[in-house]
Amino acid sequence: SQELEQSPQSLIVQEGKNLTINCTSSKTLYGLYWYKQKYGEGLIFLMMLQKGGEEKSHEKITAKLDEKKQQSSLHITASQPSHAGIYLCGAEYGNKLVFGAGTILRVKS
Amino acid sequence: NAGVMQNPRHLVRRRGQEARLRCSPVKGHSHVYWYRQLPEEGLKFMVYLQKENIIDESGMPKERFSAEFPKEGPSILRIQQVVRGDSAAYFCASSPRSAFYTEAFFGQGTRLTVV
Repeated sequence: SQELEQSPQSLIVQEGKNLTINCTSSKTLYGLYWYKQKYGEGLIFLMMLQKGGEEKSHEKITAKLDEKKQQSSLHITASQPSHAGIYLCGAEYGNKLVFGAGTILRVKS
Repeated sequence: NAGVMQNPRHLVRRRGQEARLRCSPVKGHSHVYWYRQLPEEGLKFMVYLQKENIIDESGMPKERFSAEFPKEGPSILRIQQVVRGDSAAYFCASSPRSAFYTEAFFGQGTRLTVV
């Protein structure tokens, strides 16, 4: 079973619409990372959350960490075609940086 | 200030050959992680190395796969006697210390195709 579950697995949204991606951990979260990957390319670091209740924003992307629920959410406001890609959450468990399976985002113009 | 460099970017091997994937971490980083990504799947942890030591190889297949991070030079992921199922993108990441509280920098990946 996955230590980090992401939902939804894939998402198609109309340009301009808002969307949310969720990441739930089966273990206590001490820090959570969000990355973006464009098809066929490497990972781009988006943000890292460390404290319960922490919220960070970068341009139109906001991420929150809820430690009590062992969850994080990534919210994109007014989506654009440039937001398309695979969004991955990651967390450190022991020695390993473990990732969720990813959420594939497609934005229709 | 170079980031994580992986080479080659693309590698084609026939079944039964060996594949060597190289990862040069960010200068000064002594922690390297290798991941495998199959088509339409997320990143699967393979191995975590510090200089000259394997810290965690719980995600690496017991046979045919090996990894090293020598005192000098890049980290190497070696796959012997490749099979079609080894076709995937292999990514490495580096960090100055254990990734907790710091961001890990990823390379662009090596795409291995076994024909």
